[in-house]
Amino acid sequence: GAVVSQHPSRVICKSGTSVKIECRSLDFQATTMFWYRQFPKKSLMLMATSNEGSKATYEQGVEKDKFLINHASLTLSTLTVTSAHPEDSSFYICSARDSASGRAKNEQFFGPGTRLTVL
Amino acid sequence: DAKTTQPNSMESNEEEPVHLPCNHSTISGTDYIHWYRQLPSQGPEYVIHGLTSNVNNRMASLAIAEDRKSSTLILHRATLRDAAVYYCILRDVSSSNTGKLIFGQGTTLQVKP
Repeated sequence: GAVVSQHPSRVICKSGTSVKIECRSLDFQATTMFWYRQFPKKSLMLMATSNEGSKATYEQGVEKDKFLINHASLTLSTLTVTSAHPEDSSFYICSARDSASGRAKNEQFFGPGTRLTVL
Repeated sequence: DAKTTQPNSMESNEEEPVHLPCNHSTISGTDYIHWYRQLPSQGPEYVIHGLTSNVNNRMASLAIAEDRKSSTLILHRATLRDAAVYYCILRDVSSSNTGKLIFGQGTTLQVKP
């Protein structure tokens, strides 16, 4: 199956700093990627839809200036948590849809997640 | 987004079949039924999807009610590695929607040896 990677897998930072998380589709091209966050023992919450070459679409209640998304190529999307605070500590997960016909409608492939801890 | 309802948790014995139910009474004609599962501290993993007909793959089977208002994920022989949170999700593939996945609370499956 298709592989999505995230980097870093785990990051600890000080309050007030910015953290960038990368999401890569390793063996397919992804016009659309998605970013989720997940708190302990909770479900995934969709934050935004990342579209290659255009602005991301944010879900209601998600601050676009706080969570900057860039999707500069068909295999890479980045999420930057700006001026991070302890309440931003969470498990961030990306997913990607294969742009090729046949799989585009049916499967999303998820990355392994990035655990962010803000001290 | 159309909503799904799943039991919070279920238990199964190893090597026995497991039937995970999902209700989606407000499903629309353009909604596909998707199942994903998530192991602890990992990203979700695709399991199976369907539209109207029952589906089988190497991981599981999906039985869809005739009126499409409910579905059941079937694991034919549960193993300890199948212990996970199983999410039933409706995915709108109409042109007006990106086809994004909205996760509910899912069913936590425990498998006993």
